[in-house]
Amino acid sequence: EVQVVESGGGLVQPGGSLRLSCAASGLTFNNCKMTWVRQAPGKGLEWVANIKQDGSEKNYVDSVKGRFTISRDNAKNSLYLQMNSLRVEDTAVYYCRAKSSGVDYWGQGTLVTVSS
Amino acid sequence: QSVLAQPPSVSAAPGQKVTISCSGSSSNIGNNFVSWYQQFPETAPKLLIYENNKRPSGIPDRFSGSKSGTSATLDITGLQTGDEADYYCLTWDSSLRAGVFGGGTKLTVL
Repeated sequence: EVQVVESGGGLVQPGGSLRLSCAASGLTFNNCKMTWVRQAPGKGLEWVANIKQDGSEKNYVDSVKGRFTISRDNAKNSLYLQMNSLRVEDTAVYYCRAKSSGVDYWGQGTLVTVSS
Repeated sequence: QSVLAQPPSVSAAPGQKVTISCSGSSSNIGNNFVSWYQQFPETAPKLLIYENNKRPSGIPDRFSGSKSGTSATLDITGLQTGDEADYYCLTWDSSLRAGVFGGGTKLTVL
């Protein structure tokens, strides 16, 4: 059974940092392109960042460039999102998505709240 | 303001057909594959369609996708009350070098 589990969310003050993790099992992780997607309360889905299977290419939405860093550890079947200089508008549920050859697995999400 | 335009809401009666549109440009839909997702409240999105018109295993053939030029559509036939959800299109934008979602469409089955 495939499992994708995010962790690391929580309450942080504006300007603070958080590191999200995503642990995947039951799939060939190093064959998967990995993506972070977020959803602000009551809003639609927003693509945040992705990383190629071997980590050689990373892409980001403009609003997080220079603040967020996506990374992966294929030996640990894990994906990460280092979030710095957090803003109130970064408040959202953050989902991890694993994509490979027409299959697509998502975690349950982890809530990040940026508030003073 | 999303790069991809979807109608905020659509509605139809049980058993009927509904079409959800997703309009973009040559930098996104025009030159990249489109996926469609279904999302129920407080749950993760579920892939319905990938590469414009392919269905993952387990997705009923009531759901179909197509693409023409810079627009894509999701058709749902034989509507059921259980289809009431939010639907999103997703594609890659070659100019932004980022993925882009449509704003989402809320489907109501009357």
